[in-house]
Amino acid sequence: QSVLTQPPSVSGAPGQRVTISCTGSSSNIGAGYDVHWYQHLPETAPQLLIYGNSNRPSGVPDRFSGSKSGTSASLAITGLQAEDEADYYCQSYDSGLSGYVFGTGTTVTVL
Amino acid sequence: QLQLQESGPRLVKPSETLSLTCTVSGGSVTSGSYYWAWIRQPPGKGLEWIGSINHSGTTYYNASLQRRVTISVDMSKDQFSLRLKSVTAADTAVYYCARHEPYYHMDVWGRGTTVTVS
Repeated sequence: QSVLTQPPSVSGAPGQRVTISCTGSSSNIGAGYDVHWYQHLPETAPQLLIYGNSNRPSGVPDRFSGSKSGTSASLAITGLQAEDEADYYCQSYDSGLSGYVFGTGTTVTVL
Repeated sequence: QLQLQESGPRLVKPSETLSLTCTVSGGSVTSGSYYWAWIRQPPGKGLEWIGSINHSGTTYYNASLQRRVTISVDMSKDQFSLRLKSVTAADTAVYYCARHEPYYHMDVWGRGTTVTVS
């Protein structure tokens, strides 16, 4: 029962731009807690993609960008590549639950 | 470079206790203000935070699992452990250990270990 809602899937052609939304509430994103994004490929550990709403760890291409507004956040992938096919999860902290919460997850498909 | 490695039985019988250990290498569980977490992913489902602990033994648990979960830390071995009692098939999942700062992101993850309850 995730408290952060993402679209189940998004798709795009190579080179296109896709965005993934992450909708929360006043007890998590809206309370000011940061949003983080992970890329998860099958049979591997999730990889941190964006932290602190919009920061990229070293090694993450600048094709990936994040933003946050109100009770929602977004991950954008520009110049979509075949290697970007994966599941993507947002994550934040929820003060009502006193714990860490993940989004429902979004599968990105490159057409 | 900090690395985390999960270990433990891959098969657990229903009603028994699932036990996993995460070994920290290239660093220490006592370094900084970090918390050490367990996260799981059931087949076909999303990620679920189970709980976290710091080197002082302060723990935070997912409310939905709190009655069945215990996380502990062994500073002498740079390990932290998960115990989940009274397991059912719904606890079948890939279990990950990870590191994070309070209220922040998980920046280092283990590769995960699949545990089947059957």
